Amino acid sequence: ETAVFQTPNYHVTQVGNEVSFNCKQTLGHDTMYWYKQDSKKLLKIMFSYNNKQLIVNETVPRRFSPQSSDKAHLNLRIKSVEPEDSAVYLCASSSGKGGSDYTFGSGTRLLVI
Amino acid sequence: GQQVQQSPTSLVLQEGENAELQCNFSTSLNSMQWFYQRPGGSLISVFYNPSGTKQSGRLTSTTVIKERRSSLHISSSQITDSGTYLCAGGSNYKLTFGKGTLLTVTP
Repeated sequence: ETAVFQTPNYHVTQVGNEVSFNCKQTLGHDTMYWYKQDSKKLLKIMFSYNNKQLIVNETVPRRFSPQSSDKAHLNLRIKSVEPEDSAVYLCASSSGKGGSDYTFGSGTRLLVI
Repeated sequence: GQQVQQSPTSLVLQEGENAELQCNFSTSLNSMQWFYQRPGGSLISVFYNPSGTKQSGRLTSTTVIKERRSSLHISSSQITDSGTYLCAGGSNYKLTFGKGTLLTVTP
C-alpha cells in the first residue's frame, strides 16, 4: 500500500515533556510537510522538506524540530510541550513544490495536560 | 490580511439539494486545490484545479485566476457528503488553507 503513514495516532502528555511523531511516505515523493490543525480546525504549514533539505520554516517556536533521515521520512520532535501545542499534526507529501498528488497522513492528535 | 477566504462557514442541506462553496485567494497564491475532511479524519484531495473547470461525478470545480476565485459545486447532495471542505492555494512548497466550510446533509 502506498500512502503517508503517521504514528502515533493519539498522544497525551504533560506540560514540559518531550514528544516525537513519526511520518513515512511510500509514494516516492521528494517533498514532505508538517501541518498543524488547531482547535478551530485551521490548518497551517509548519515545515517543508525537499530531498531532506529544509525549505520552509514558518516561524515555528524553537521547541519544534523536524528531522529527516531520507526523503521518505520526516519526523517531528517537540522538546518541552506547552498547552497551546495541543492540536492535530498532519504530515503530507508531494512531488516537487506540491501539486495534484498532495497526500496527507491520518494525523497525530496531541493533548497536553 | 487573510490570504484564503472561504464561504459560507457552514451549510445545511437536505439530501438532494445542491451546494456551492466559494473560495477567494490573494495574488501570492496559485494552484488552487480542494480537500475534504471528515470529523477526526484525514484530508482527501477532491480537486487540483489551478484554472478552468473540472468535473468528477457530482462534483465540479471552477477556478477563475483573473478574479482570484475558485468554487466547488456539489449536485444532488448525499448524506455521505457531510464533512468539512477546505480550499488551499499553493506557493513555494506550502499550501495556505481557508478556514473551511462545514457541510451537513440531512435526510
